[in-house]
Amino acid sequence: SQQGEEDPQALSIQEGENATMNCSYKTSINNLQWYRQNSGRGLVHLILIRSNEREKHSGRLRVTLDTSKKSSSLLITASRAADTASYFCATRNTGTASKLTFGTGTRLQVTL
Amino acid sequence: NAGVTQTPKFQVLKTGQSMTLQCAQDMNHEYMSWYRQDPGMGLRLIHYSVGAGITDQGEVPNGYNVSRSTTEDFPLRLLSAAPSQTSVYFCASSRQGAHGYTFGSGTRLTVV
Repeated sequence: SQQGEEDPQALSIQEGENATMNCSYKTSINNLQWYRQNSGRGLVHLILIRSNEREKHSGRLRVTLDTSKKSSSLLITASRAADTASYFCATRNTGTASKLTFGTGTRLQVTL
Repeated sequence: NAGVTQTPKFQVLKTGQSMTLQCAQDMNHEYMSWYRQDPGMGLRLIHYSVGAGITDQGEVPNGYNVSRSTTEDFPLRLLSAAPSQTSVYFCASSRQGAHGYTFGSGTRLTVV
């Protein structure tokens, strides 16, 4: 079964706006990761946040993690048309550190 | 570095045929995994490996076999193809520990 569930399923914004995507998961984790997938391509790793971290930044990306609520959010600031893609959260669960379990993804459309 | 290489990129099979999807990585990664991606369902884990000679089942292993005789290669075998196995298949690899996965570009398989 899927571990993570992303919300919303689809998001449409204009260039320059911020995009926020949320991920909820079910069990205890070692870390949570976010990936991007452009249409018809493989996934690209964006950022990893460990279970003992609450916030992490990478360029225009900001990830937060709330282990008490079993949720994470990905914020993309000042979105660009090139950010149009699907975004997935994935978890490495406690006790199964080699397995990465994905959510169903958020489709982001950034228009000019 | 080539990263993760998957072959073939496209394949059409008839029901009942068998085939092997190839996956090779040149990054000396310990962990390797196979996923399938179907519309609206995100990525589902088929099989994974933590090192040469060690494999384990993921969420949807039925109808697939894997082996890991070397660190570099992790082939996925479809034993008797069924239309339900029509999907896009991704291979991915990672170092041990808290690291993201590197994905291949995928194999689009159609079973008729």
